[in-house]
Parts: sequence; structure tokens; C-alpha cells
Amino acid sequence: DAGVIQSPRHEVTEMGQEVTLRCKPISGHDYLFWYRQTMMRGLELLIYFNNNVPIDDSGMPEDRFSAKMPNASFSTLKIQPSEPRDSAVYFCASSPTTANTEAFFGQGTRLTVV
Amino acid sequence: AQSVAQPEDQVNVAEGNPLTVKCTYSVSGNPYLFWYVQYPNRGLQFLLKYITGDNLVKGSYGFEAEFNKSQTSFHLKKPSALVSDSALYFCAVRDPSNQGGKLIFGQGTELSVKP
Repeated sequence: DAGVIQSPRHEVTEMGQEVTLRCKPISGHDYLFWYRQTMMRGLELLIYFNNNVPIDDSGMPEDRFSAKMPNASFSTLKIQPSEPRDSAVYFCASSPTTANTEAFFGQGTRLTVV
Repeated sequence: AQSVAQPEDQVNVAEGNPLTVKCTYSVSGNPYLFWYVQYPNRGLQFLLKYITGDNLVKGSYGFEAEFNKSQTSFHLKKPSALVSDSALYFCAVRDPSNQGGKLIFGQGTELSVKP
């Protein structure tokens, strides 16, 4: 398997624009996580899915953020409208069904909002 | 609610010396604990985990970690540090008794190993 695949790797956008980040988890993994990494806040869990269903979205910072998982092989994180403070590295990770297994991370998307 | 704390933002060690990166956790039940490493401009890589059994677990690149239930700690250790160990280290926890899938990370500790 190619691992968790995120696209794009880098995104530069203007304030107010819509941004969509994409993630393809490892085949067969039932959990999918979205994290945001910044210097100030470290690695924050935004939302996670189990079997394509959102389980906990309490980490989503504002209504401007939304995430979907239409099928087992694809998820999106959308920011609309984007703001400069959204600039961060966004990671997607997936793990198999049982909680005693580790999660596998993608390479991340570096988002810059100017 | 589950949480993880890494009390040190940075740890500095001389090459060849032992290293320790500290982690404490809070969960309502028995925890599943993990350590990850992140190199610059990369994603996180899994190092090791504690699920049950022996409190001392061994992982990749010569790292090990000791689970201490009474102190709610899971410190990462290595007997002899290498310059190439310099990276950002994250501790993480899952609570199987409460939203078992939720994976929470600490703030991270920057390890710097000098020659």
C-alpha cells in the first residue's frame, strides 16, 4: 500500500477563499483522523471518523471548517472562508479497527493563507 | 476526558549519553500509549506502543519506553543518543473505555543531540 496520501502538499490561498484538503487513507483502515499542527498549539485533533461516520468533531475550531468522508477511501477537510490564522500543516491519519493499533500519517498539507 | 502532557518543550543531550523524553497521561480507563517521531517537513512516524503486559516496551531505532501506572507516565528512553535522533517527539494516548478510537497527542518535545 502507498500509505496515507494527502493532496495538495502545499497550498497558498488568499484570505476569504475556499480551501479543500484531500486524504486517501490506507485501504482497510476504519479510522480516519484530521489534525492541525502549529507552533503555538502543537498537534490538535480536529475530527475523526469511524467507518465513514464522524465520531467526534469537538476539535473543529469554527463553523468555517467542515469535513466529510463520502466513502472508505476518501475524505476532505474544507475551510470556507479561509483566514490567515488558519495557516498550518494539516495531517490526515488512518488506523485499523482496533484501538490498540497505531495510526499511520500522511505527509501533510502546508496551508498558507495570505 | 483523555489528555497527554509533555512537560519539556526541548531536551538537549550529548551524543552517546542516555536520553529521556517525558510523558504523562490522563484517561478514565487503562490507556493505550504511543510514541511518534517527526523529522522536519515530514509526517509522524510510529516508534512504539504500550497496550498491555510488560511495562518496558521496545521499539524502532533502539528506543524504549516504560509504562508506570501509578505515576501515569510513559517516558521515552534510549541508552545512547545519536545525532540523527534529533527530531520532534510526540506522545499519544487512546482510551479504549471511552471513545476508544480517539487518538490524542501531547504538545511535542524537541530533542537535540549534539556531537
